[in-house]
Amino acid sequence: RKEVEQDPGPFNVPEGATVAFNCTYSNSASQSFFWYRQDCRKEPKLLMSVYSSGNEDGRFTAQLNRASQYISLLIRDSKLSDSATYLCVGASGSARQLTFGSGTQLTVLP
Amino acid sequence: EAQVTQNPRYLITVTGKKLTVTCSQNMNHEYMSWYRQDPGLGLRQIYYSMNVEVTDKGDVPEGYKVSRKEKRNFPLILESPSPNQTSLYFCASSLTGTSSYEQYFGPGTRLTVT
Repeated sequence: RKEVEQDPGPFNVPEGATVAFNCTYSNSASQSFFWYRQDCRKEPKLLMSVYSSGNEDGRFTAQLNRASQYISLLIRDSKLSDSATYLCVGASGSARQLTFGSGTQLTVLP
Repeated sequence: EAQVTQNPRYLITVTGKKLTVTCSQNMNHEYMSWYRQDPGLGLRQIYYSMNVEVTDKGDVPEGYKVSRKEKRNFPLILESPSPNQTSLYFCASSLTGTSSYEQYFGPGTRLTVT
């Protein structure tokens, strides 16, 4: 079983829609979680960190449930520019190990 | 401009011919790492380095070597490449003295081994 699992999609949604991605992790030692965004054939870039209390950055809301080992990302009012692959990432240890999910592909349609 | 650079960006080579992919960062980061990305498998860590002369294996180190003689450079060496090393490779770096785990990635190197 992979340490970080995501629904690969693809998710095809119209502009303006709200879309939610989920992610589960199996390593209870994971200390921190993140969502990275990766555009086609480009490098991953940090989208946002995920906190147990939930956090929001504009149209993006991330949530962590440690009891269920579950992470979510909600995107409101989707834009064409949100089309990308979203990577769920867990981090653990002093060695700063990042464990990546295989990504969820989102396409926002006009 | 703060960045991680990789060279070459694209490489087609033949089985057994040694190659090196260079990685350099100008952000004075202590931590550097190499990943490979394959369809359906996500990014998997090959090797990482916490500082100069300190390197350690990641999840998929077989067939790869690294060195960290200078803080800014972290080359990835394939002594005898094989077709199963055909992949998209990313170098990344980050600070270690903070609570931030954010890693900055290079643009990627697409390697094909025939």
